[in-house]
Amino acid sequence: DIQMTQSPSTLSASVGDTVTITCRASQSISSWLAWYQHKPGKAPKLLIYKASSLESGAPSRFSGSGSGTEFTLTISSLQPDDFATYYCQQYNNYSPYTFGQGTKLEI
Amino acid sequence: EVQLLESGGGFVQPGGSLIFSCAASGFTFSSYAMSWVRQAPGKGLEWVSVISGSGGSTYYSDSVKGRFTISRDNSKNTLYLQINSLRVEDTAVYYCAKGSSGTYVKNYFDYWGQGTLVTVSS
Repeated sequence: DIQMTQSPSTLSASVGDTVTITCRASQSISSWLAWYQHKPGKAPKLLIYKASSLESGAPSRFSGSGSGTEFTLTISSLQPDDFATYYCQQYNNYSPYTFGQGTKLEI
Repeated sequence: EVQLLESGGGFVQPGGSLIFSCAASGFTFSSYAMSWVRQAPGKGLEWVSVISGSGGSTYYSDSVKGRFTISRDNSKNTLYLQINSLRVEDTAVYYCAKGSSGTYVKNYFDYWGQGTLVTVSS
């Protein structure tokens, strides 16, 4: 299985800050990486796919980069609505698809 | 507008069975793979199973293989998950998720349902 490791597990920030979350894969996954935002009691939301492609409807303050084994999600000018848990997911290998353990972004 | 609506959760004793349904609308259901993803209390997201758009290919995580069965009825735009031999560790919110392609490979999940909760306890 491809292991996905996110850091940090928790991130404290303020409105207006720029933050970066890192996701590392245990083997190369090329650019087959997605990022999701998840709030309690809600459906997860796709933000980024193919490592750096912004999903339609996702705010442009979200950006992704990386390839191979190291990836980042950057959120510029944090808004109150951005405080949530963020997950990366590799989809290079379908058996199984795997997620990072999550990064909780808190005020 | 894409909508995914899960149903079928509840309280079950260990060893019991359940069937979840996910009613889909707003897209050509048979053209896309579908997956189930779960989240145990206080834990992260865990992919459970995928089925191709045609229904001809299915894959499972090792933790559920042999106990869970994914299926779909493209005439009803509905995805199913049959869960047998339930364990306490299967307690979770189960989400259905629309895949980005028609096959089981190279899928990210572009739409998710709100989830249905299963609690397994004696």
